[in-house]
Amino acid sequence: DGGITQSPKYLFRKEGQNVTLSCEQNLNHDAMYWYRQDPGQGLRLIYYSQIVNDFQKGDIAEGYSVSREKKESFPLTVTSAQKNPTAFYLCASSIQGADSPLHFGNGTRLTVT
Amino acid sequence: SQQGEEDPQALSIQEGENATMNCSYKTSINNLQWYRQNSGRGLVHLILIRSNEREKHSGRLRVTLDTSKKSSSLLITASRAADTASYFCATDGGKLIFGQGTELSVKP
Repeated sequence: DGGITQSPKYLFRKEGQNVTLSCEQNLNHDAMYWYRQDPGQGLRLIYYSQIVNDFQKGDIAEGYSVSREKKESFPLTVTSAQKNPTAFYLCASSIQGADSPLHFGNGTRLTVT
Repeated sequence: SQQGEEDPQALSIQEGENATMNCSYKTSINNLQWYRQNSGRGLVHLILIRSNEREKHSGRLRVTLDTSKKSSSLLITASRAADTASYFCATDGGKLIFGQGTELSVKP
């Protein structure tokens, strides 16, 4: 079955540590996205990539970094510079085009203490 | 930058009733999409309506779009307990921007 896999589902880190969230898709989609969701909130765009080796900042990129070395993979690193990293992180992918719906993974819940 | 805003924030109904959720947005759009999210899971795409369309149906879902009022509504008919979830609208004014969602609870 094609889909998006995010791992791990739950992640715990100490403050000051960088942490990398994994996102892999086998849908052959060109575009991939990272969103952050806080309780009772909508999704806010962190980074997106429309093609391998290229990515753009979203609305809340500060304290995050990404790479897109392979079409299938779009890992997100939450750095120690991110002031409020505890959140639910969602990865998505789509084919190119304004009418393309997003396909989401099931998220990673990150808790930083 | 929040584009879509859903209303109401929470809705509780009995099984069999209809549920209506509204979405308002601020700028011109190419299309508007509705997504569903079960608790602790990713979002699932429900339906897309283009800016030149006024109404669209998919099973028990009916979506309307009024570009003059910059608003859309999602109607779920004959609701079921399994429809309990959060529903989000997302507008495409270049890149998808999501609203804060309506939390729907359908009681058996």
